[in-house]
Amino acid sequence: EDQVTQSPEALRLQEGESSSLNCSYTVSGLRGLFWYRQDPGKGPEFLFTLYSAGEEKEKERLKATLTKKESFLHITAPKPEDSATYLCAVQPLRIQGAQKLVFGQGTRLTINP
Amino acid sequence: DTGVSQDPRHKITKRGQNVTFRCDPISEHNRLYWYRQTLGQGPEFLTYFQNEAQLEKSRLLSDRFSAERPKGSFSTLEIQRTEQGDSAMYLCASSSSARGREAFFGQGTRLTVV
Repeated sequence: EDQVTQSPEALRLQEGESSSLNCSYTVSGLRGLFWYRQDPGKGPEFLFTLYSAGEEKEKERLKATLTKKESFLHITAPKPEDSATYLCAVQPLRIQGAQKLVFGQGTRLTINP
Repeated sequence: DTGVSQDPRHKITKRGQNVTFRCDPISEHNRLYWYRQTLGQGPEFLTYFQNEAQLEKSRLLSDRFSAERPKGSFSTLEIQRTEQGDSAMYLCASSSSARGREAFFGQGTRLTVV
């Protein structure tokens, strides 16, 4: 069964304090791994797609990396506006169920000024 | 590009009543998805359309749930005889088979069953 586990569940940082969020996954074949940001009461906002091990993507203070078993979301010198829940999802590589995303439970990130 | 639009944003209903939600995807997107999210959890897949065809349904989707996408444009999700366990955020997403695999989500419909 496809499974995604994110850690930690919650993370509190001071403004400017860099850290990483982890996403471990188990899937028979990986079509893609996705990172989303979700603010309270809103829908997830797309951040990155990663397709193969070794791939990296960057956007402002965020950088996503991918290995064969996990992905990391690195946040450099975060600001209070980076506070949100970060969701990781995998898209399995198979004909049946090929289009759905399997999400982790998310990491709730709080950046204190 | 106005993004994915969902209506209503909030719905409070009594147990046993039927409710219907609407989703308008990004105009050029041919794929449409419904997900359900409860507090503190990630979204769970419910169903998927490519154009007007419903190609996948989760085992989570009981007989009380039905989704349609007439003419391959907007979609509706109906829940019959609502139960308290149906209380959740219902999210719609869309993507294009002609572009990247990323799905873009709407703001969701928050359902509360009392």
